[in-house]
Amino acid sequence: GAVVSQHPSRVICKSGTSVKIECRSLDFQATTMFWYRQFPKQSLMLMATSNEGSKATYEQGVEKDKFLINHASLTLSTLTVTSAHPEDSSFYICSAGNYLAPNEQFFGPGTRLTVL
Amino acid sequence: DAKTTQPNSMESNEEEPVHLPCNHSTISGTDYIHWYRQLPSQGPEYVIHGLTSNVNNRMASLAIAEDRKSSTLILHRATLRDAAVYYCILRDGTGTASKLTFGTGTRLQVTL
Repeated sequence: GAVVSQHPSRVICKSGTSVKIECRSLDFQATTMFWYRQFPKQSLMLMATSNEGSKATYEQGVEKDKFLINHASLTLSTLTVTSAHPEDSSFYICSAGNYLAPNEQFFGPGTRLTVL
Repeated sequence: DAKTTQPNSMESNEEEPVHLPCNHSTISGTDYIHWYRQLPSQGPEYVIHGLTSNVNNRMASLAIAEDRKSSTLILHRATLRDAAVYYCILRDGTGTASKLTFGTGTRLQVTL
């Protein structure tokens, strides 16, 4: 149990386009999900906390108008990278908590975004 | 957030124990010590966590210093599948809304 999926696993897009990444908790409900970004050979950087039914909380330095987060249901959060540029190319990972195992965060497999 | 310090990399031979250290001298009383690991091109996975007492689970053991300023993750018999980046993270409190702040981690190499 406690599986988190992401879709797509890989995406390549042209500069200036928008890309939507989905994060789903498959067998549990998650009122809170987290979005991270990871550049090659670097650690994960928390971008924002996604709260079901309310606005996301962004970490300092993360542009909320560029990285749109929607958490419309208890099993789905989406991250939209708007007007993507090559510097947005990265590995995007989401995580969710399950109240049945509150001390663990369950991570998705990640989405590799390449902006040409 | 209180910070952790880990060696950048470590090596181990297969089937030998591995001790991964972590220093967290500024830990607060409500901080739990969590360990996650990340295999190449995958999302992190939970390994173990503790507050004050040593902890064991099927994956590893966590030894916490009496003053809580350091801890050690112990893999009892390393396998090739344990090659990953191991992150030691301090997490304030418990609950699904409590966020994780990742440091640089320790890259563990396991050789035959």
